[in-house]
Amino acid sequence: GENVEQHPSTLSVQEGDSAVIKCTYSDSASNYFPWYKQELGKGPQLIIDIRSNVGEKKDQRIAVTLNKTAKHFSLHITETQPEDSAVYFCAASIGNTPLVFGKGTRLSVIA
Amino acid sequence: GAGVSQSPSNKVTEKGKDVELRCDPISGHTALYWYRQSLGQGLEFLIYFQGNSAPDKSGLPSDRFSAERTGGSVSTLTIQRTQQEDSAVYLCASSLAHGLATAETQYFGPGTRLLVL
Repeated sequence: GENVEQHPSTLSVQEGDSAVIKCTYSDSASNYFPWYKQELGKGPQLIIDIRSNVGEKKDQRIAVTLNKTAKHFSLHITETQPEDSAVYFCAASIGNTPLVFGKGTRLSVIA
Repeated sequence: GAGVSQSPSNKVTEKGKDVELRCDPISGHTALYWYRQSLGQGLEFLIYFQGNSAPDKSGLPSDRFSAERTGGSVSTLTIQRTQQEDSAVYLCASSLAHGLATAETQYFGPGTRLLVL
């Protein structure tokens, strides 16, 4: 089955700097790659997703890149703000099958 | 509109007791998923309902776990004879998925925090 690896497990950046989180997946049939942000005591919230027919997607300060050949995808957050501090999860699936999640990255943005 | 809701938000139970966790998906969403999040871990798939199809139970960790979805809407996850290792946050998600081909966004509820003493 699918296996998703996520790095780093923790990340601290200065406010205004960029943050990058990387994930790899094992199943070449996976075609959907969402990123979720989870704040303390809340459920995960989708922040951006990408499908396998696209190499890059951007939404304001957030961007995701996908390399299907290498089977990895990355989340880029620019101009980080304290409110970006949270746990971020990458995931992969084949269509609407259940998501397989990475173990998460705890991002701390230091003011 | 209203998002996915779950109840109770917190549940403390004694080892050996049964518990029921409820999920109300977003109205009109045909797909419903249950995941488990243990302390400091990622989310682990438990069970998946898609329309009127038989549920995908491949993620259930033991036969003490079961789930139902009545009328294509509300779902209940039942854990029988709870064990301490069942302590986790149980998350429910729903999506507009009408089939397997094209992924639709999964929207998560706030979760139920279960503590088994």
